[in-house]
Amino acid sequence: DAGVIQSPRHEVTEMGQEVTLRCKPISGHNSLFWYRQTMMRGLELLIYFNNNVPIDDSGMPEDRFSAKMPNASFSTLKIQPSEPRDSAVYFCASSLASGALAKNIQYFGAGTRLSVL
Amino acid sequence: GIQVEQSPPDLILQEGANSTLRCNFSDSVNNLQWFHQNPWGQLINLFYIPSGTKQNGRLSATTVATERYSLLYISSSQTTDSGVYFCAVIFMDSNYQLIWGAGTKLIIKP
Repeated sequence: DAGVIQSPRHEVTEMGQEVTLRCKPISGHNSLFWYRQTMMRGLELLIYFNNNVPIDDSGMPEDRFSAKMPNASFSTLKIQPSEPRDSAVYFCASSLASGALAKNIQYFGAGTRLSVL
Repeated sequence: GIQVEQSPPDLILQEGANSTLRCNFSDSVNNLQWFHQNPWGQLINLFYIPSGTKQNGRLSATTVATERYSLLYISSSQTTDSGVYFCAVIFMDSNYQLIWGAGTKLIIKP
């Protein structure tokens, strides 16, 4: 399996621009997670989807952030408009929820390093 | 208070040395994972180990759930082992929220 695939690997943009990050989960996985990693705050869960439905978006920092999962093999995280404080590494992870979800293993993509100038 | 605490925060070793990384957690868990974040930023799954002992090559891990800690052992360290090692848990009152430790930064010198 190719693992969780994220694109782009690096994104440099100017303040005010729209940014779209993409994620393809592992085939057959039905749970998808978006995380943000910064030096100050470490890894933070932004949003969690189960069977393409957003279950918990309490970690989304503000209305400028939105995430979609139109089908089981694709998700996007959009920032509009972007700000310098959004600069971070954004990870997507997926897992197979069978039985008790908590026992399932989350596998991470390589991340997208976002720089907002 | 801190829910997942890792120690030591930093560790510098010579190639060939052995090391033990510790993860303490504040409550009962039903999921514990160890990850290695390499110098390129990739997060690599090492172990899923909510209890018991597992081994994979030079790496092994032990979780004593009743005492709320987990240990990651690295034997015969290689320079490619450098990076940050994270412990992450899902507490019993959740079913998906991974709570992360701050990590142990490991540097292996040739």
